[in-house]
Amino acid sequence: QQQVKQSPQSLIVQKGGIPIINCAYENTAFDYFPWYQQFPGKGPALLIAIRPDVSEKKEGRFTISFNKSAKQFSLHIMDSQPGDSATYFCAASLPHQDNYGQNFVFGPGTRLSVLP
Amino acid sequence: ETGVTQTPRHLVMGMTNKKSLKCEQHLGHNAMYWYKQSAKKPLELMFVYSLEERVENNSVPSRFSPECPNSSHLFLHLHTLQPEDSALYLCASSQGLRQETQYFGPGTRLLVL
Repeated sequence: QQQVKQSPQSLIVQKGGIPIINCAYENTAFDYFPWYQQFPGKGPALLIAIRPDVSEKKEGRFTISFNKSAKQFSLHIMDSQPGDSATYFCAASLPHQDNYGQNFVFGPGTRLSVLP
Repeated sequence: ETGVTQTPRHLVMGMTNKKSLKCEQHLGHNAMYWYKQSAKKPLELMFVYSLEERVENNSVPSRFSPECPNSSHLFLHLHTLQPEDSALYLCASSQGLRQETQYFGPGTRLLVL
C-alpha cells in the first residue's frame, strides 16, 4: 500500500513532443505529490509538486495532472527539448507526524530521451 | 549545485573493509536523510535525522551505521558490506520535516567486491 507505480520505464520522443509520465498510488493518506528530475551524475532535484486539492498545476513547460478519485497523477512536458533528457521520479508523501521524518515513497523512475 | 556535498563520489571496497560516506549541507537545514538508489528500483529511504536525532530507520541492516554530529554533517559508516549493497547512496536535507523540499547531493557510487 506504500508503493507508487510509475510508467513507462523509458520514453523516447522527438524535440517538441509532449512526453507523459504516469504514476498511481494506493494509500489515500498521501497528500503531497512531487516530481523529481535527475540528470546523470547528479542527485534528484524537485521539479514540481501538487497537493490533492487541485487537479492541475503548471510551472513553465511542466504540468502535473491529478486525478484524486483514480489515485493517479501524471507529468506532462510541453515542447520537450533535448536538455529535458533525464530520469523522472514521481513520489508521494504522508502528512507530517510528530517525531517522524518525511516519509517519501518514490516511483521507480522513467528515463526520458528527447531526440534533437 | 544544490548546497549538499558528498564525499567520496566513488568508492570501491571489499566485503571486509570499513569505510565512511560523508555528507555536508550548506543550506542551514535541520533535517538530513540517507537514501539508497539501485538500478531500476525506487529510491529507498534509509535514515532520517532531525536536529541531530534519528527519527526514522527503515529496517536497514546493521552493517550500515549513521552518525549525525551536528545539523550540517551526516555520515554513513559501512562495514562488512555485501555485493548487493552496491548502489548510489544519496544524501538529502530539508528545512524541517513538514513535506519541505528535499535537496539532494550528487551521491556516492559504491561498489562492493
